[in-house]
Amino acid sequence: DAGVTQSPTHLIKTRGQQVTLRCSPKSGHDTVSWYQQALGQGPQFIFQYYEEEERQRGNFPDRFSGHQFPNYSSELNVNALLLGDSALYLCASSSDRVSWNEQFFGPGTRLTVL
Amino acid sequence: GQNIDQPTEMTATEGAIVQINCTYQTSGFNGLFWYQQHAGEAPTFLSYNVLDGLEEKGRFSSFLSRSKGYSYLLLKELQMKDSASYLCAVKEGYQKVTFGTGTKLQVIP
Repeated sequence: DAGVTQSPTHLIKTRGQQVTLRCSPKSGHDTVSWYQQALGQGPQFIFQYYEEEERQRGNFPDRFSGHQFPNYSSELNVNALLLGDSALYLCASSSDRVSWNEQFFGPGTRLTVL
Repeated sequence: GQNIDQPTEMTATEGAIVQINCTYQTSGFNGLFWYQQHAGEAPTFLSYNVLDGLEEKGRFSSFLSRSKGYSYLLLKELQMKDSASYLCAVKEGYQKVTFGTGTKLQVIP
């Protein structure tokens, strides 16, 4: 049973560019959450997708957008990249049918903006 | 909104017991998680508390007091591999999870 997978592992972009990160949830999970983790900080909630809709959103600008596909996989898009967007981007999946909603994290995508 | 506080760093000796505290303020508490994160890796789930009291799972235990907005993670019989960051995270509402900045634990021989 594959866990949460993310691609790519590492990515280098320049300011102003756009980036798309991808996530496949753990088998049986239908909810995907995205987090940004700066060095030495805890993960910061970006948004969550369920049934192909953004269900909740953290305090991130509209440059951050996402999508969920019918197979529950998800993409995170970031436009007009800033140096401050350099971070580890984590995807976490969970099941809406489980009341206590343990989240399983993927290995993350390390984004560097130059 | 949420405010989660936990110590930045702690050091403990191999074989000892360490308690990592977490205090939180939230408008819609719906559970508290503890995660372990080794450097360069993704967080891994340790525990979840939604009711007051102590939950024990092997060498790790987690305690919650909702009235005090307080939780702790207790690690017994520390091993060198327990050196990691420990993240306290509060679930607000139905699904949103807010993480603290983490406590970096160093286990020394």
